[in-house]
Amino acid sequence: EIVLTQSPATLSLSPGDRATLSCRASQIISTYLVWYQQKPGQAPRLLIYDASNRAAGIPARFSGGGSGTDFTLTISSLEPEDFAVYYCQQRDSWPRTFGQGTRVDI
Amino acid sequence: QVQLQESGPGLVKPSETLSLLCTVSGASISPDYWTWIRQPPGKGLEWIGTIYYSGTTYDNPSLKSRATISVDTSKNQLSLKLNSVTAADTAVYYCARGANVFFTWGQGTLVTVSS
Repeated sequence: EIVLTQSPATLSLSPGDRATLSCRASQIISTYLVWYQQKPGQAPRLLIYDASNRAAGIPARFSGGGSGTDFTLTISSLEPEDFAVYYCQQRDSWPRTFGQGTRVDI
Repeated sequence: QVQLQESGPGLVKPSETLSLLCTVSGASISPDYWTWIRQPPGKGLEWIGTIYYSGTTYDNPSLKSRATISVDTSKNQLSLKLNSVTAADTAVYYCARGANVFFTWGQGTLVTVSS
């Protein structure tokens, strides 16, 4: 099973700041990495797939990068609605696994 | 627009079987992959399993074969059964479209395991 480790656990920032979230895989997964955003009481929403491809309707301030075992999600300038929990997920092998999440707080 | 809606009992007794349905609207279940994911209160996401419309399934070994996922193409529904539940199975259960990338999610349904 591939273990995904996200860091930091919590990121305390202000609107307008740049946020950089990390996800590290326990083995090489090429670019088979997905990012989701989850707000309280809501289902997760797809942001980025295959490490760097924005899903439909996702603003350009969200970008993803990385390959192999190290990946990042960057929010270039935080908007108030971006304060949420972010999860990474690998699609390289079964079972599918998620990271434990990074909370982006004000 | 594809929509998924989970339904089922919100309370299940320990040792019994949890049974949930996911009704898909705006798209046909076939040919596609569909997935169940759960999230214990205040915790992260756990993949339960994925099914292809033809019935091929991929299960999470951590659940020790307690989960059964099936599809009913005539009703455009998928189902989840989880037997021998304990308090550790208390979670919000989501159905989602896809096997690799979960493009669309249901709103989720909270299932509490308690006597």
